[in-house]
Amino acid sequence: NAGVTQTPKFRVLKTGQSMTLLCAQDMNHEYMYWYRQDPGMGLRLIHYSVGEGTTAKGEVPDGYNVSRLKKQNFLLGLESAAPSQTSVYFCASRDILYEQYFGPGTRLTVT
Amino acid sequence: EDKVVQSPLSLVVHEGDTVTLNCSYEVTNFRSLLWYKQEKKAPTFLFMLTSSGIEKKSGRLSSILDKKELFSILNITATQTGDSAIYLCAGAGGTSYGKLTFGQGTILTVHP
Repeated sequence: NAGVTQTPKFRVLKTGQSMTLLCAQDMNHEYMYWYRQDPGMGLRLIHYSVGEGTTAKGEVPDGYNVSRLKKQNFLLGLESAAPSQTSVYFCASRDILYEQYFGPGTRLTVT
Repeated sequence: EDKVVQSPLSLVVHEGDTVTLNCSYEVTNFRSLLWYKQEKKAPTFLFMLTSSGIEKKSGRLSSILDKKELFSILNITATQTGDSAIYLCAGAGGTSYGKLTFGQGTILTVHP
């Protein structure tokens, strides 16, 4: 099992550009999450999904959109990137228990 | 609003020392407290604590939860340089989507 994978690993964007981050999991988990991690602020939830075809807002959703067309994939989109979105983005998934499994992260820099 | 606070925010020790990391929480419909270790990349799961007063152990790491006082501690004995990492705690509330509220993390540095 690969677990949770994320692409790309690194990206540099200019302000106003758009991009999509892809998360894939092969554990057949229903729940998937997108977090951002900034220094001194821990992990903050952006959006989440409780199953295929469902998405919902988390703690810091502004400027992001998500889609879960297939159970194994959860996409995070930035329509018009801003410097405030410079961060490390983590995807996670879980099944029935509360333990979440994390991907390796995407380091995004917006200039 | 749910809140998890960790202390200290950073800690520098020498190999062989014992450290105690603290985590206090205010989580609506609290279910569990989770500890993660984050080295260079993804956080990796250490413990999940649900019952008060029952210690969980894995090698040199142990953790305990106090549901009355709303805190948890993570102990690491005989620290090694490989223990250098960010330690995150998270509170799980009783929402339908299994929300985790994370603390800021404690940066542990172990010098040889």
